[in-house]
Amino acid sequence: DVKVTQSSRYLVKRTGEKVFLECVQDMDHENMFWYRQDPGLGLRLIYFSYDVKMKEKGDIPEGYSVSREKKERFSLILESASTNQTSMYLCASTLGGADTGELFFGEGSRLTVL
Amino acid sequence: GNSVTQMEGPVTLSEEAFLTINCTYTATGYPSLFWYVQYPGEGLQLLLKATKADDKGSNKGFEATYRKETTSFHLEKGSVQVSDSAVYFCALSDRPGGYQKVTFGTGTKLQVIP
Repeated sequence: DVKVTQSSRYLVKRTGEKVFLECVQDMDHENMFWYRQDPGLGLRLIYFSYDVKMKEKGDIPEGYSVSREKKERFSLILESASTNQTSMYLCASTLGGADTGELFFGEGSRLTVL
Repeated sequence: GNSVTQMEGPVTLSEEAFLTINCTYTATGYPSLFWYVQYPGEGLQLLLKATKADDKGSNKGFEATYRKETTSFHLEKGSVQVSDSAVYFCALSDRPGGYQKVTFGTGTKLQVIP
């Protein structure tokens, strides 16, 4: 079975802390994505990466950065967490190339910033 | 830019009732269309997809037809079960500027009662 694994299901952090969310996929997918999910807003794209060491801003990149040092791993970094970053974070990947764009998701990381 | 509009929930149905969740989209290119489902406490998973006009996607008794003339991709099921209770997201995948991008609707929560 294909798998996208997010390192933490639940995190509680304090305002100003640095937060790392890790995501690993075992499908040799080219593209990886970070979304945040909030009630009434659906999924919003934070950053995506179409290759190792490459990254592109999504719709809401402010306050976030990412790292993709290896093809299978895509990390989301909150340099200084704030309460408005309390959310569910979803990592996903797609094969890339001429594929249809079907996303494979991890189970999500629920972050609470106090 | 691209956008997806789906009916707001929550939708509450009795078991064996007929389900329709409306979804319309705006896109400049020729997108692929998807329905994803999120069961409680889990990430999203693909329910069905259609990659070109007039295609019908189907899975687990759910169906949706890609209607280019009405820019719609409505989700239907003839007889819902309690186990179908989840949040349903309509989405489209396109390649604006060459990068694959997936745009989601805000989600529709379905609750099926016995």
